[in-house]
Amino acid sequence: EAGVTQFPSHSVIEKGQTVTLRCDPISGHDNLYWYRRVMGKEIKFLLHFVKESKQDESGMPNNRFLAERTGGTYSTLKVQPAELEDSGVYFCASSQDGGPYEQYFGPGTRLTVT
Amino acid sequence: AQSVTQLGSHVSVSEGALVLLRCNYSSSVPPYLFWYVQYPNQGLQLLLKYTTGATLVKGINGFEAEFKKSETSFHLTKPSAHMSDAAEYFCAVSLYGNNRLAFGKGNQVVVIP
Repeated sequence: EAGVTQFPSHSVIEKGQTVTLRCDPISGHDNLYWYRRVMGKEIKFLLHFVKESKQDESGMPNNRFLAERTGGTYSTLKVQPAELEDSGVYFCASSQDGGPYEQYFGPGTRLTVT
Repeated sequence: AQSVTQLGSHVSVSEGALVLLRCNYSSSVPPYLFWYVQYPNQGLQLLLKYTTGATLVKGINGFEAEFKKSETSFHLTKPSAHMSDAAEYFCAVSLYGNNRLAFGKGNQVVVIP
């Protein structure tokens, strides 16, 4: 069974540019999460999808971030325009059901904004 | 809002010695508790979790953790460190009815031969 995959693994962009991160969850997992780790800080929750619907987007930092989940399968996280403070590692996770079930994490996308 | 405290960003332990990583949480209600491990270039992997029931939880790779409500702690231990235990370890909590995880800052464990 394939795990959670994320693309790209690394991205370096200039301030003001747009970047789109992609996450493919484990097949059959209705729940998909995005988290972010800024250097030196803890991993922080961004948002949670149940199928194609946003269940909780309370962690999204501002309206420069847009997350979508097409047809309840893969998800994209777009940052437009990127700022220096957006640099960090973006993790995606998925789980089969809600509640305290294991969230399976992808390897992350390291985003560097220069 | 819940928060998680992990002290000591870098922890060095000798091979064969006890591994002890401390985790304290603040929450108005008992949360669900997790320990995750991240090996280089990999995603976070669940080591163990506490939801209800027995407070001593055993996980993979010989790790275990004990939930102590009175101390609001969930410390992770392993009796004998192995070189393969070198990784970053994260404590996390979530509340009933809320799927999002709140993480501590992590402990980077270095195992000294």
